[in-house]
Amino acid sequence: QQPVQSPQAVILREGEDAVINCSSSKALYSVHWYRQKHGEAPVFLMILLKGGEQKGHEKISASFNEKKQQSSLYLTASQLSYSGTYFCGTERGDDKIIFGKGTRLHILP
Amino acid sequence: DAGVIQSPRHEVTEMGQEVTLRCKPISGHNSLFWYRQTMMRGLELLIYFNNNVPIDDSGMPEDRFSAKMPNASFSTLKIQPSEPRDSAVYFCASRPTSAVNIQYFGAGTRLSVL
Repeated sequence: QQPVQSPQAVILREGEDAVINCSSSKALYSVHWYRQKHGEAPVFLMILLKGGEQKGHEKISASFNEKKQQSSLYLTASQLSYSGTYFCGTERGDDKIIFGKGTRLHILP
Repeated sequence: DAGVIQSPRHEVTEMGQEVTLRCKPISGHNSLFWYRQTMMRGLELLIYFNNNVPIDDSGMPEDRFSAKMPNASFSTLKIQPSEPRDSAVYFCASRPTSAVNIQYFGAGTRLSVL
């Protein structure tokens, strides 16, 4: 079952912060975050394994609450290069990543 | 490393024609995934292979779609006959043998069925 992402779209000014949420109705083994720029392939950002650890990538970090089957992606002091569509993907331990519909992020100068 | 290579990058065809999409995974990666991306449905997993063996094809829309992986360095996704609703971007991704499922995507094939 496809995870639900919110919000569907965000517009920010450079330097502002954003949070993207991802929730699943099923128990999860891991949560994956990818970013896709317009016309390009999705690119891996980070993976959060069962255990609740928080990961970081530049000024982008994420958390995973396995009890609530939720993950959040935090973008701090956003840069123009952060623009794109962010996908969360959920995995139940069977190698299959089921992606959400994505959150479009647009950063204005 | 050249990354995952897909061909063609763009394909325009007429309804009823056969379409074959190709993928070369990253050398040494033992898993390969085919996805379809549309505005309506997002990024959908169609089928994936481990060590050239199809593991799960539950995402394949119907019998018109088939996928093969004859060896570790090549896979095809075939649509026969194609229909306008098959228009989408098709991505191939591969992952290395490791405990963590990190997938590397190809640039995709944009398919338009007229």
